[in-house]
Amino acid sequence: GAVVSQHPSRVICKSGTSVKIECRSLDFQATTMFWYRQFPKQSLMLMATSNEGSKATYEQGVEKDKFLINHASLTLSTLTVTSAHPEDSSFYICSARGLADLYNEQFFGPGTRLTVL
Amino acid sequence: QQQVKQSPQSLIVQKGGISIINCAYENTAFDYFPWYQQFPGKGPALLIAIRPDVSEKKEGRFTISFNKSAKQFSLHIMDSQPGDSATYFCAASHWGKLQFGAGTQVVVTP
Repeated sequence: GAVVSQHPSRVICKSGTSVKIECRSLDFQATTMFWYRQFPKQSLMLMATSNEGSKATYEQGVEKDKFLINHASLTLSTLTVTSAHPEDSSFYICSARGLADLYNEQFFGPGTRLTVL
Repeated sequence: QQQVKQSPQSLIVQKGGISIINCAYENTAFDYFPWYQQFPGKGPALLIAIRPDVSEKKEGRFTISFNKSAKQFSLHIMDSQPGDSATYFCAASHWGKLQFGAGTQVVVTP
């Protein structure tokens, strides 16, 4: 099956710093990638949708200047959390969908645990 | 505003028993209904999915039942095993965007 990786798997940073998370589709070309955030014991909440070569579309309530998304190639999308604060601590998960996927199936990465001190 | 409502919140079932999780939705534009399994600290993994033109789909021990008129769908896990202990999420998709249910934590006791 299709494999999606994320790097790093966990990161700890100081308040006020920026953190970049990478999402890669390893064996298929991902025309669309999605970024989710999941707080403990809660569901996945979609943050943004990115299509290769175009600007990301953010969900209501998600600050686009704080969560910068770049989808520069068909296999790589990055999420940068700028000026991170403790309330940004969460589990960030990406997913990817290929062009040929007729059933809208998304393949999820393993997630990145962000802890902001 | 939860567009997909999932119940129960948690479930304890004995090994060999049946786990049943229910979901309901309002938006009739949803056209793809997947179920995901998530273990602690991991990303969700697709378990089984169904489209609204099908009323039932079975893959191994997992079955989705879909009732389009009632706007409900459910996951049945037959012969539950301790390795099935995880959190299960239903979801519904429109234009490729997934809306997730709140999740059900399933514990299978030996």
